[in-house]
Amino acid sequence: GAGVSQSPRYKVAKRGQDVALRCDPISGHVSLFWYQQALGQGPEFLTYFQNEAQLDKSGLPSDRFFAERPEGSVSTLKIQRTQQEDSAVYLCASSFMSPGFNEKLFFGSGTQLSVL
Amino acid sequence: AQTVTQSQPEMSVQEAETVTLSCTYDTSESDYYLFWYKQPPSRQMILVIRQEAYKQQNATENRFSVNFQKAAKSFSLKISDSQLGDAAMYFCAYRGEYGNKLVFGAGTILRVKS
Repeated sequence: GAGVSQSPRYKVAKRGQDVALRCDPISGHVSLFWYQQALGQGPEFLTYFQNEAQLDKSGLPSDRFFAERPEGSVSTLKIQRTQQEDSAVYLCASSFMSPGFNEKLFFGSGTQLSVL
Repeated sequence: AQTVTQSQPEMSVQEAETVTLSCTYDTSESDYYLFWYKQPPSRQMILVIRQEAYKQQNATENRFSVNFQKAAKSFSLKISDSQLGDAAMYFCAYRGEYGNKLVFGAGTILRVKS
C-alpha cells in the first residue's frame, strides 16, 4: 500500500472485552513500532519489531497487552480484559531499515480505542 | 531515563507571522537525535524537521528551522510565514543514538489566525 494502514479506525469496547488492533506497514519495511497516545498527551512507546522478532517490549503496560508480527509484515496488538485506562489512540509506525537518523518513520492514522 | 518537556500547551500566530515552539529535554547521553513532528486532526504524525546532536549547525527545512542549544538541552522550532495549513499539534521527540524508540513531549497546539 501507499502508506501505513491501521484498522479499525475506531473501536468501542466494553470493559473486560478483548480487542485486536491491526497494522499493515508499508511493504518491505523491516521495522515496526506501536505507540499509545492518551488524550492530550504525546505518544508513548509500547513495542518494537524487526521483521518478525520482537526486540523491545519494554513499553507494554501490563501482561494484558500482547503484540505479534508472525510473518514480518502485518502486526496485531491485542489487549485482553480491557479497562478504562486503556482508552487511547494506538499508533503504528514503520521504517524501511532499522532505526537510524536518516531512516524515516512512517506513521499510520491510528486506532482510537474507547473502553466503556 | 530521558524526558522531553514542552511547556506551551497552546500557541497562536497570525497568518504570515513567525512563531516559536519551545522544547527542552533531559538526557545523560552525548549523542542523540531530536525531531519535531506535526499531528493534524487526521492523527497521522508527519516529520517536520530533525537534528543530530553532534552537529552544531541548526537544521532548516523551508519555512521551518530549529534553534538547538546542546548545553542548555533546548530544541525550539521556528515557523516562518505561518500558513493556515500549519495549524496542528506539534510534538518534540528524542531518540538516543543507539535507541529504537522515540520519547515524545506532551505537545503544543498551534492555532493560525487569518
